[in-house]
Amino acid sequence: RKEVEQDPGPFNVPEGATVAFNCTYSNSASQSFFWYRQDCRKEPKLLMSVYSSGNEDGRFTAQLNRASQYISLLIRDSKLSDSATYLCVVNRDNTGKLIFGQGTTLQVKP
Amino acid sequence: DTEVTQTPKHLVMGMTNKKSLKCEQHMGHRAMYWYKQKAKKPPELMFVYSYEKLSINESVPSRFSPECPNSSLLNLHLHALQPEDSALYLCASSQESSGPYNEQFFGPGTRLTVL
Repeated sequence: RKEVEQDPGPFNVPEGATVAFNCTYSNSASQSFFWYRQDCRKEPKLLMSVYSSGNEDGRFTAQLNRASQYISLLIRDSKLSDSATYLCVVNRDNTGKLIFGQGTTLQVKP
Repeated sequence: DTEVTQTPKHLVMGMTNKKSLKCEQHMGHRAMYWYKQKAKKPPELMFVYSYEKLSINESVPSRFSPECPNSSLLNLHLHALQPEDSALYLCASSQESSGPYNEQFFGPGTRLTVL
């Protein structure tokens, strides 16, 4: 079992749709969590950091459920430009080593 | 300025060549990282530098040699690489390496091809 698990997708949604991704992690001691977005052949870009129960930034909401050990990312009113791979990342032990999920691919269609 | 820069953008090298990848950040971060990323896979950590000292080496082969000349610069020296080392090499930085608030910011990467 991978330490951080994501559904690879792809998720194909129409513009304007709401889409949610889930990510589960196995180490209950993990302290902080991140969502990164990566476009094809580009670097990962930090989308959101999650340190407590959740975070919201415009159309994006991240929620953390420590009891069930999962993090979710909700995207409302999807835009074509949201098409990318979304990486769930866990700071497991505060050493600087981040644990990456395999990524979830989102394709928003007109 | 939240920018991490990397040079070169692309590099093609033979298996007998020696080359170096360079990374620079001016955010005052004290931790810097090298990652390797293959197509359709997440980044894999190679090295972590904290306050200019190597703190993590993820059992990377010695043909990859990192160097941190100062707190803003990070190099990766390459020697006698194999074709399977072809990948996107990403540099990242964060304020500190330890602690929970470890937001890492990535550079654009160097796309390396080993012939």
